[in-house]
Amino acid sequence: GAGVSQSPRYKVAKRGQDVALRCDPISGHVSLFWYQQALGQGPEFLTYFQNEAQLDKSGLPSDRFFAERPEGSVSTLKIQRTQQEDSAVYLCASSSRAGRSGTTYEQYFGPGTRLTVT
Amino acid sequence: DAKTTQPPSMDCAEGRAANLPCNHSTISGNEYVYWYRQIHSQGPQYIIHGLKNNETNEMASLIITEDRKSSTLILPHATLRDTAVYYCIVRGLTSGTYKYIFGTGTRLKVLA
Repeated sequence: GAGVSQSPRYKVAKRGQDVALRCDPISGHVSLFWYQQALGQGPEFLTYFQNEAQLDKSGLPSDRFFAERPEGSVSTLKIQRTQQEDSAVYLCASSSRAGRSGTTYEQYFGPGTRLTVT
Repeated sequence: DAKTTQPPSMDCAEGRAANLPCNHSTISGNEYVYWYRQIHSQGPQYIIHGLKNNETNEMASLIITEDRKSSTLILPHATLRDTAVYYCIVRGLTSGTYKYIFGTGTRLKVLA
């Protein structure tokens, strides 16, 4: 079946522009996670949704970062007034069980969106 | 605050077993060990996970020490396609969410 898809795969933004990154999780998956991966580093957690509820946004680096999942399926990560330090790969992952109770359910990752801020 | 420690890189000859170690000395009783790998320009791919018993699937084996402070991922017959960064993750309840906390991983290079 279809995996997690993300669009666009590549995005170049000028400093100060707003960007929106889309994630289509696996159909029926309750949990959705966003991660940020800087070059040469492991992914770092940004935020977590259970259905449409954003239950954890402790990893969002600043108030310029905003995520939503209004109908409990597709999610959008928005970055306002992009800065050069926002350049990274943004990964989306989904899981079939709730993140707060699903201790053993693995996350399935999309291919990521590579954001370059010039 | 990385919860796991892995060697930064390893080489393995094609067809031989690749043994990737991971230290997680601060693991608590309800935390699972997960292994993922990331091939260049792709998202992380799930390999295997375990709590306290050794586990095996079609991709790999996971050996967890009795005190659970370390584990080893074994790829029994490495191929060139296994060249990737391998992440050992300890997954538990952090800030109310079962999120993954990645380290920097081990870059495995399989040599022909």
